[in-house]
Amino acid sequence: DGGITQSPKYLFRKEGQNVTLSCEQNLNHDAMYWYRQDPGQGLRLIYYSQIVNDFQKGDIAEGYSVSREKKESFPLTVTSAQKNPTAFYLCASSVPNRNQPQHFGDGTRLSIL
Amino acid sequence: GQNIDQPTEMTATEGAIVQINCTYQTSGFNGLFWYQQHAGEAPTFLSYNVLDGLEEKGRFSSFLSRSKGYSYLLLKELQMKDSASYLCAVRDSGAGSYQLTFGKGTKLSVIP
Repeated sequence: DGGITQSPKYLFRKEGQNVTLSCEQNLNHDAMYWYRQDPGQGLRLIYYSQIVNDFQKGDIAEGYSVSREKKESFPLTVTSAQKNPTAFYLCASSVPNRNQPQHFGDGTRLSIL
Repeated sequence: GQNIDQPTEMTATEGAIVQINCTYQTSGFNGLFWYQQHAGEAPTFLSYNVLDGLEEKGRFSSFLSRSKGYSYLLLKELQMKDSASYLCAVRDSGAGSYQLTFGKGTKLSVIP
């Protein structure tokens, strides 16, 4: 079955550590996105990529980094510079067509120890 | 920038009809999406509107008025499993932009 796989489902980080969240898709979508979801805040865009080897900052990129070396993969690193990283992180992908929806992975819940 | 408003919470009775409203202000508009999200799960796509009018999909319908910056999601014959958050998302009309801006979501509780 085609879809988006995020791993792990739960992740714990110590203060001062970087941590990388995985996102893999086999939908052959060109565009991929990372969102952060906090209670009562809705989804906020962190980074997005419309094509391999290219990505753009979203609304809340500070303290995060991404790479897009392969079409299928768009990992997100939460760096120690991100002061409030505890959140639910969602990865999405879409075809480059404005009337096509974004499809989401099941998310990774990151908590600070 | 974009501003999207939805009610925070709603409660409705099983078997009834509920309408969830979404208003938006954008510098450009290129479509509006509705998603359903159960607690702790991924959002799933429900509907898309880019032209004015009503789009119907089974028990779910979505309406758009571009001149009023207004949309609603209509859920008929409510079932307990419809208890979830409903997210309104707007796509900007910027060239090459496929980004969505999401509202904060409306948490719907369906009661017996």
